[in-house]
Amino acid sequence: NAGVTQTPKFRVLKTGQSMTLLCAQDMNHEYMYWYRQDPGMGLRLIHYSVGEGTTAKGEVPDGYNVSRLKKQNFLLGLESAAPSQTSVYFCASTVLGLGEQYFGPGTRLTVT
Amino acid sequence: DAKTTQPNSMESNEEEPVHLPCNHSTISGTDYIHWYRQLPSQGPEYVIHGLTSNVNNRMASLAIAEDRKSSTLILHRATLRDAAVYYCILRDVARGSTLGRLYFGRGTQLTVWP
Repeated sequence: NAGVTQTPKFRVLKTGQSMTLLCAQDMNHEYMYWYRQDPGMGLRLIHYSVGEGTTAKGEVPDGYNVSRLKKQNFLLGLESAAPSQTSVYFCASTVLGLGEQYFGPGTRLTVT
Repeated sequence: DAKTTQPNSMESNEEEPVHLPCNHSTISGTDYIHWYRQLPSQGPEYVIHGLTSNVNNRMASLAIAEDRKSSTLILHRATLRDAAVYYCILRDVARGSTLGRLYFGRGTQLTVWP
């Protein structure tokens, strides 16, 4: 039981490049979330999903897109990366909305 | 969502108890009090949660004031591995809370000295 895994762990992009971050969970959780964390700050919600095929915007969705084609996977896409998107990205999942959230180890993204 | 206020930082010696305070004066009757912590270079992890009564688990205890306007996370014997940022978060079971969103503040940075 791996829990929540994130791919890749580190990435450096140039401004304007695109990439996709993958989050996978093996706990059969319905709810999945993408957060970002900037230095010295708490986490902020980017997008979330309450089930396969459904997604919704969080607090800071601009510049990101998401997809949940399979229940166990939640993808976060950056179509045209900007330096302001330099951050650590965390994925989380939970079986029900009020349950304990399980977080992945994070992806450290630098946009130059 | 109701906001919480925590000290920016606290320090403790190893094997001593640690009391991490959280103020939430605008808490509503349907808000649960959750605590998460984030170890260095890791994602947050759940610690404990409660509604009105004090709660204990293997990691910590949660003491909730009678008026629920404040709470305290208690680590009974701090270890070096407890050095982390601790987040106090309110989760409302009534207003759209089934979405499960967590609102993180800056938390309290706990330093544990050997």
